[in-house]
Amino acid sequence: NAGVTQTPKFRVLKTGQSMTLLCAQDMNHEYMYWYRQDPGMGLRLIHYSVGEGTTAKGEVPDGYNVSRLKKQNFLLGLESAAPSQTSVYFCASSSSYTRAGDPYEQYFGPGTRLTVT
Amino acid sequence: GNSVTQMEGPVTLSEEAFLTINCTYTATGYPSLFWYVQYPGEGLQLLLKATKADDKGSNKGFEATYRKETTSFHLEKGSVQVSDSAVYFCALKNNQGGKLIFGQGTELSVKP
Repeated sequence: NAGVTQTPKFRVLKTGQSMTLLCAQDMNHEYMYWYRQDPGMGLRLIHYSVGEGTTAKGEVPDGYNVSRLKKQNFLLGLESAAPSQTSVYFCASSSSYTRAGDPYEQYFGPGTRLTVT
Repeated sequence: GNSVTQMEGPVTLSEEAFLTINCTYTATGYPSLFWYVQYPGEGLQLLLKATKADDKGSNKGFEATYRKETTSFHLEKGSVQVSDSAVYFCALKNNQGGKLIFGQGTELSVKP
């Protein structure tokens, strides 16, 4: 099992350019999430999905779009990148049911470091 | 709303020192509580968890007890190692869906 994988690992964009970050998981998880991590602010939820074909806004959704066309993939898009979107982006996934004593552990990918100049 | 507050970092300790990282939370209902660890250049990994009051989570020598009366979930380890150097995140989840609320993270540096 590869767990949660993210591509690319690093990217530099110019202001106004667009890009898509890809997240893939092989654990058959229903829930998937995109976070951004900024110094001193912990992780903040951008968008999430509770199943194939569904998405919802998190805490900081502005400037991002997402799609979940297949259960194993969750795409994060930046249509017109801005310097404020310079960050490290993490994808995570979790199951939707509670196994005995297991409260929906989230599994994280290794992250994508994005710089917007 | 729900929130998590952690002690400010960075925390610098000598090897074999005792570690405490404070975490307090605000939440409605009865959340589950977590500590995640992020080693340099990697994603987050679940370190330990507790799902109800007075539960103690433990893993790799780390412990944390869910204290409802003080709304706290402090992380402790009796003797830290250089390999424990990482950023530690406290988080909570209300038992509705899977969304986590994270604290800001505390960087730990352990010197030999």
